[in-house]
Amino acid sequence: DGGITQSPKYLFRKEGQNVTLSCEQNLNHDAMYWYRQDPGQGLRLIYYSQIVNDFQKGDIAEGYSVSREKKESFPLTVTSAQKNPTAFYLCASSIGGAGGYEQFFGPGTRLTVL
Amino acid sequence: GQQVMQIPQYQHVQEGEDFTTYCNSSTTLSNIQWYKQRPGGHPVFLIQLVKSGEVKKQKRLTFQFGEAKKNSSLHITATQTTDVGTYFCAGIVKAAGNKLTFGGGTRVLVKP
Repeated sequence: DGGITQSPKYLFRKEGQNVTLSCEQNLNHDAMYWYRQDPGQGLRLIYYSQIVNDFQKGDIAEGYSVSREKKESFPLTVTSAQKNPTAFYLCASSIGGAGGYEQFFGPGTRLTVL
Repeated sequence: GQQVMQIPQYQHVQEGEDFTTYCNSSTTLSNIQWYKQRPGGHPVFLIQLVKSGEVKKQKRLTFQFGEAKKNSSLHITATQTTDVGTYFCAGIVKAAGNKLTFGGGTRVLVKP
């Protein structure tokens, strides 16, 4: 089965701790994305990567970091510098990063910081 | 920065009725995409519009891209309970790095 997996589905952390969210895809897609979704709102882009070993900041990158060492993996670290980290985090991928390609989303990770 | 607005934010529809949701961008778009997110789920791609004035249909769903490529609409006829969810439009501006900018979504609730 091809697709995008995110783990875990639910994550609880204490305030001040860094936490890493996993995103893996076996679609052989070049581009990967991280979005944040708050209740009743749209998706906001955190980081995106168009190719391995390269990534760019999205609209709300402060307090987050990413890496793209492998084509199939794009982990997101939510650092203690992120002021309000509780949210639903969605990872997505597309064949290319040049725009105009359908994005495939993973099931998401719901992060709660206590 | 680029903004994409959707109206209405909520749409309560009687089963069998039609409704339309609208998407407006502050800048001219190169493409626009529509996604559907079921409650508790993740967004799923519905369609992409590229040409000015383009109209595309998927069964009971009709998507339209405005002539100026700054707005779009989604019209659903004969609403069914399976249409429940949030519909997002997402615009692409080539000058902005080809990133998708999502609207806030229209949450559709269907009354049986």
